[in-house]
Amino acid sequence: AAGVIQSPRHLIKEKRETATLKCYPIPRHDTVYWYQQGPGQDPQFLISFYEKMQSDKGSIPDRFSAQQFSDYHSELNMSSLELGDSALYFCAKDRDGRMNTEAFFGQGTRLTVV
Amino acid sequence: AQKITQTQPGMFVQEKEAVTLDCTYDTSDPSYGLFWYKQPSSGEMIFLIYQGSYDQQNATEGRYSLNFQKARKSANLVISASQLGDSAMYFCAMRAGETSGSRLTFGEGTQLTVNP
Repeated sequence: AAGVIQSPRHLIKEKRETATLKCYPIPRHDTVYWYQQGPGQDPQFLISFYEKMQSDKGSIPDRFSAQQFSDYHSELNMSSLELGDSALYFCAKDRDGRMNTEAFFGQGTRLTVV
Repeated sequence: AQKITQTQPGMFVQEKEAVTLDCTYDTSDPSYGLFWYKQPSSGEMIFLIYQGSYDQQNATEGRYSLNFQKARKSANLVISASQLGDSAMYFCAMRAGETSGSRLTFGEGTQLTVNP
């Protein structure tokens, strides 16, 4: 079925550790987005990629980096984790590659930093 | 810059009644899309309905309809015949421009509770 697969679903890390979140658009898709949703907050845009190139950049900390690979999956790398990085991280894609259609979200990765 | 405003932090409705969730937006771009998402307590983001800025008719999807008033920059979500399963957080969002990879900007959300 079409959608977005994210892994892992849950992740617990200690402060100052690193984490890698993965996103697999199904079917393969040229555009992916990353969003961060803190507790009780609305999702905040981090970064997006179109055809493996960064397309738009939001309030993504310098400690975070992301890329889209040749098979169109994407990874969000987070280093020197802080307690405030605890959040739900979503990956999303556009339907059928068309602009201004709905963005489908993955089920999210819930990151807890302790 | 784009901005979405949802002024209702919480709303209550009786089962089987209709409810309107408010959303106003601001953008200088003539081309934009407006979206509503539902987020139950499980955390997933579920797409509900989409309205394009050039669409002449209001969007409808089953029990969901979008009351689009372009001059007033409002895009209210109407849920008819509310069900207990509609209890969730609802986010209004917007994407402006026609560049692939443009971000969605979200409002702060409205927590809807459907009472039996």
